[in-house]
Amino acid sequence: QVTLKESGPGILQPSQTLSLTCTFSGFSLSTYGMGVGWIRQPSGKGLEWLANIWWDDDKYYNPSLKNRLTISKDTSNNQAFLKITNVDTADTATYYCARTVGIIRGPFDYWGQGVMVTVSS
Amino acid sequence: DIQMTQSPSLLSASVGDRVTLSCKASQNIYKYLNWYQQKLGEAPKLLIYYTNSLQTGIPSRFSGSGSGTDYTLTISSLQPEDVATYFCQQYNSWPNTFGAGTKLELK
Repeated sequence: QVTLKESGPGILQPSQTLSLTCTFSGFSLSTYGMGVGWIRQPSGKGLEWLANIWWDDDKYYNPSLKNRLTISKDTSNNQAFLKITNVDTADTATYYCARTVGIIRGPFDYWGQGVMVTVSS
Repeated sequence: DIQMTQSPSLLSASVGDRVTLSCKASQNIYKYLNWYQQKLGEAPKLLIYYTNSLQTGIPSRFSGSGSGTDYTLTISSLQPEDVATYFCQQYNSWPNTFGAGTKLELK
């Protein structure tokens, strides 16, 4: 059974760095073709893909966030991480991690429940 | 970036209706198109991948079609539990992009 769960700080101030953790089970990020992506959704709005990391440590980022993103993984502990630097109120959203399967690309077939992040002074 | 345009943004239909949702890409995405269902307060759920492949566990009343830039999600007989917002996503090229969604409600 595949499960994912996000964790984060809940609230942080503008200019700080947001650190998110995705803890998963039921698959391994060392398995060929496996990947984890991060997607966010402001309240009442649409979905925005942020970044993907693959089993071979290949990484893809959304260029709209202008080098503020860093994705990484800890294969031994079944975790993936996302850091967003210099946050502002526009980064307030629910952040999801999701599994993806494929060679370089694939659908997000399992999602976490999401974690709400508020940026406020 | 590839822009994904969904229509309509809001759709009202009755139980038992055949419902069609549209998604148009700004360029050819070679069938690399997924559909997700998001119910209020929940995470998105994958319904259809690669245009017309039904995800495991999804009812067969859901189907997808399309090619090039134009794609469709069809619900053959709308059920009350299908009330949700539906998003399309292209994964032909990076960055992956989502449509703005179609909110489906019961008439």
